Amino acid sequence: AQSVTQLDSQVPVFEEAPVELRCNYSSSVSVYLFWYVQYPNQGLQLLLKYLSGSTLVKGINGFEAEFNKSQTSFHLRKPSVHISDTAEYFCAVSDLEYGNKLVFGAGTILRVKS
Amino acid sequence: DAGVTQSPTHLIKTRGQQVTLRCSPKSGHDTVSWYQQALGQGPQFIFQYYEEEERQRGNFPDRFSGHQFPNYSSELNVNALLLGDSALYLCASSLRGYYGYTFGSGTRLTVV
Repeated sequence: AQSVTQLDSQVPVFEEAPVELRCNYSSSVSVYLFWYVQYPNQGLQLLLKYLSGSTLVKGINGFEAEFNKSQTSFHLRKPSVHISDTAEYFCAVSDLEYGNKLVFGAGTILRVKS
Repeated sequence: DAGVTQSPTHLIKTRGQQVTLRCSPKSGHDTVSWYQQALGQGPQFIFQYYEEEERQRGNFPDRFSGHQFPNYSSELNVNALLLGDSALYLCASSLRGYYGYTFGSGTRLTVV
């Protein structure tokens, strides 16, 4: 069975500082990995995804993530955050079976302070 | 380009009642998945519909049922509502064979 662990429930950070949101996954098969962002009272927006190829994935809004198979991690990073990045971030995994479901972590709330 | 549309946006129901939530997928998508997001938690997979059939199901009781129509839109039905069914229900559409899920803004269900 697949599972996702987001190691921090909340991450406070000052504006223009770098940030890393940590995600570890467990799966018995090869996987696809995703990061989604959820703003208050809204649905989920895809930030980036890893399907294959380069382990460093770049997404929208200046975010990037690195797939580390040996450590089963997919941490999300941004070199300089803005107030507008305040939101909840979800890591998700899906296995390589055709059209399979997403399994989400519990989420990390990123609070950017001025 | 219309994304995923869900209706209603909010509703309040009483324990024991039944509810129907609706989802129109993004143009060009043929697969609809439903997720339940309880307060403070990540979304949990309920089921997925493709070609008007339930293709996958998560760990939810059969009080949760669904339907997909020929135009790819979908409904989620929940019978005998419990207080614990209070959550944000998210619909996600995709094109079969591609890992590009588009989520709607959700329906906030409150059971009192």
